[in-house]
Amino acid sequence: EVQLVESGGGLVQPGRSMKLSCAASGFTFSNYGMAWVRQAPTKGLEWVATISYDGSSTYYRDSVKGRFTISRDNAKSTLYLQMNSLRSEDTATYYCTRDILWVFDYWGQGVMVTVSS
Amino acid sequence: NIVLTQSPATLSVTPGESVSLSCRASQSISTSIHWYQQKSNESPRLLIKYASQSISGIPSRFSGSGSGTDFTLSINRVESEDFSIYYCQQSYSSRTFGGGTKLELK
Repeated sequence: EVQLVESGGGLVQPGRSMKLSCAASGFTFSNYGMAWVRQAPTKGLEWVATISYDGSSTYYRDSVKGRFTISRDNAKSTLYLQMNSLRSEDTATYYCTRDILWVFDYWGQGVMVTVSS
Repeated sequence: NIVLTQSPATLSVTPGESVSLSCRASQSISTSIHWYQQKSNESPRLLIKYASQSISGIPSRFSGSGSGTDFTLSINRVESEDFSIYYCQQSYSSRTFGGGTKLELK
């Protein structure tokens, strides 16, 4: 059974940093692209970033370029999202997803990030 | 950027009715559209990929159609567990989601 379990969320002040993790199991992690998708409170879904199966390619939405970094450790079957210079508009639930040719076929339970002073 | 417009925003139905949810793209995207269901306080779930391809484990009452700019998610005989928000997503150019259609109990 595919499982994606996020961690690392919480309350953070504007301008500070936070790192999210996603532990994957139930599939060969190193064979799949992975992504982060977020959802602001009461809002719709928004793709954030994607990383290729081997980490050689990364893609970001414009609003997070230069601030967020997606990475992975295939030996640990873990996906990361380093978020710097956080803004109030980054407040959202962040979902870890498996990304197969830009289709998100499995989702984690999500982790809440609140950016507020 | 490709914009996806979903309609209606809310659809009120009674169990047993069949419904169609619309997703329109701002430019032609071939069949690069995917549909997700999000129940209240849950993570989204993939229902249909590439406009009409079924997903293992998804009930057969869900089906998709369309190409180019106009796409439809159909639910044949809505069941109580289907009351959720439905999102479309395009993968033709980067990745964007529609604003969602809420399917609610009339």
